[in-house]
Amino acid sequence: GENVEQHPSTLSVQEGDSAVIKCTYSDSASNYFPWYKQELGKGPQLIIDIRSNVGEKKDQRIAVTLNKTAKHFSLHITETQPEDSAVYFCAVPSGGSYIPTFGRGTSLIVHP
Amino acid sequence: EPEVTQTPSHQVTQMGQEVILRCVPISNHLYFYWYRQILGQKVEFLVSFYNNEISEKSEIFDDQFSVERPDGSNFTLKIRSTKLEDSAMYFCAVKPPGADTQYFGPGTRLTVL
Repeated sequence: GENVEQHPSTLSVQEGDSAVIKCTYSDSASNYFPWYKQELGKGPQLIIDIRSNVGEKKDQRIAVTLNKTAKHFSLHITETQPEDSAVYFCAVPSGGSYIPTFGRGTSLIVHP
Repeated sequence: EPEVTQTPSHQVTQMGQEVILRCVPISNHLYFYWYRQILGQKVEFLVSFYNNEISEKSEIFDDQFSVERPDGSNFTLKIRSTKLEDSAMYFCAVKPPGADTQYFGPGTRLTVL
C-alpha cells in the first residue's frame, strides 16, 4: 500500500509569515494529490489539489508544488492569518484507486 | 462543492451495543466512503461503496461493521457490538462521478463507554 510521510507534525508561525508543509509518498503510479484542512470539531475540507501533469498550482495565498521524480509535494501558505490555524493533511490515492492514504497531519498555529 | 450531512453529531453508547451512523448527501452521488479518526490521529479509510455494493474495504472494516443505503438516499454505517476502541470521529465522504476529489461530512463523534 501507499506510504505517506508528512512533516512537520507541528508548525508555529507569526501572522504574516509563510508556512510550508511537506509530504512524501511511495507509489510512483499515484497521480492525484489533495490537501485538506481540518478545523476543530469539523471534517477535512479540500483546500487545494494537484495532478501529476503539473508541477505547481496556486489559489490566492495557497500553493501546492509537486516533484514526481522525488515523490514529494508541498503545501505553501503565504501571509498566514490566525484563521489559517488548523490541522492540515496531505492525502495520496494509490495508482488505480480513489482511496487516499492520509498523512499524520500538521498542526499549524498562527500567532497574531 | 457537494454537501454532506451526518447524524447524529455525537453518539454515546455502552460497550456491546449496536450503533448506526447516517450520512445524507445533498446531491445524488454514486461513490460513498466511510473513514474514522481516532482522537489526535490521522484519518483512516474504512470502506467504499459504489453502485450499492462495497467496492473496497480496509483491515479495520471487520465483521462488526456493515454499510448499506437502505432508501437510496441515506448511507449508513452500522457497528454491531461496539468496543471501547471504536471511540472515534466517523466521517462520511462522497465523490462526484468523474472527479478525483472526495468531500467530507462534518463527522459523528462516537463515544463507547
